[in-house]
Amino acid sequence: AQSVTQLDSHVSVSEGTPVLLRCNYSSSYSPSLFWYVQHPNKGLQLLLKYTSAATLVKGINGFEAEFKKSETSFHLTKPSAHMSDAAEYFCVVNSGYSTLTFGKGTMLLVSP
Amino acid sequence: DAGVIQSPRHEVTEMGQEVTLRCKPISGHNSLFWYRQTMMRGLELLIYFNNNVPIDDSGMPEDRFSAKMPNASFSTLKIQPSEPRDSAVYFCASSLGAQGSNQPQHFGDGTRLSIL
Repeated sequence: AQSVTQLDSHVSVSEGTPVLLRCNYSSSYSPSLFWYVQHPNKGLQLLLKYTSAATLVKGINGFEAEFKKSETSFHLTKPSAHMSDAAEYFCVVNSGYSTLTFGKGTMLLVSP
Repeated sequence: DAGVIQSPRHEVTEMGQEVTLRCKPISGHNSLFWYRQTMMRGLELLIYFNNNVPIDDSGMPEDRFSAKMPNASFSTLKIQPSEPRDSAVYFCASSLGAQGSNQPQHFGDGTRLSIL
């Protein structure tokens, strides 16, 4: 069985400040983990993925995430938020021969 | 390289009418997925094809929904008859590799469906 919990439904930051979007997962097997971003009226776009290689994963647009097995976490971070980062972010887990499990999403709000 | 292409982008129709949503996956991808997204239920997997064969349709809500993949470059999702509760954004996604592989899914921009 697998599940994913995004701990915050909304996160508000000011432009230029750090971003932290939290994700915890549970999995019976070694998981693959993904972060997707969805801008208004658009589909989901892959930000980054973890597939049992380096635990610190760098993605597009300056985002990165760290896989911590001991904490079953895969939090998404960015050192400095930009207005264009305002969107909804989804954490996704895949434990093997099963369907993907999507988190409920975190809406990132960026104020000037 | 073209991404996943969905049509139409928007569809408004009256209840009882047949609705057909279309998807062209990324060339070379052998898995295709249909999802539905609503505020209440989030993103739900409806059906998954691998090599044009339906593998998992457990997410299809009821018999009013059907999906086909006649070839590797085209899939349809049909609702007949449509009901107001079917109003949602429907996404198609494709990936290289079977469900459960570590390959990411690539999403289209979706079809926003409104049933009056």
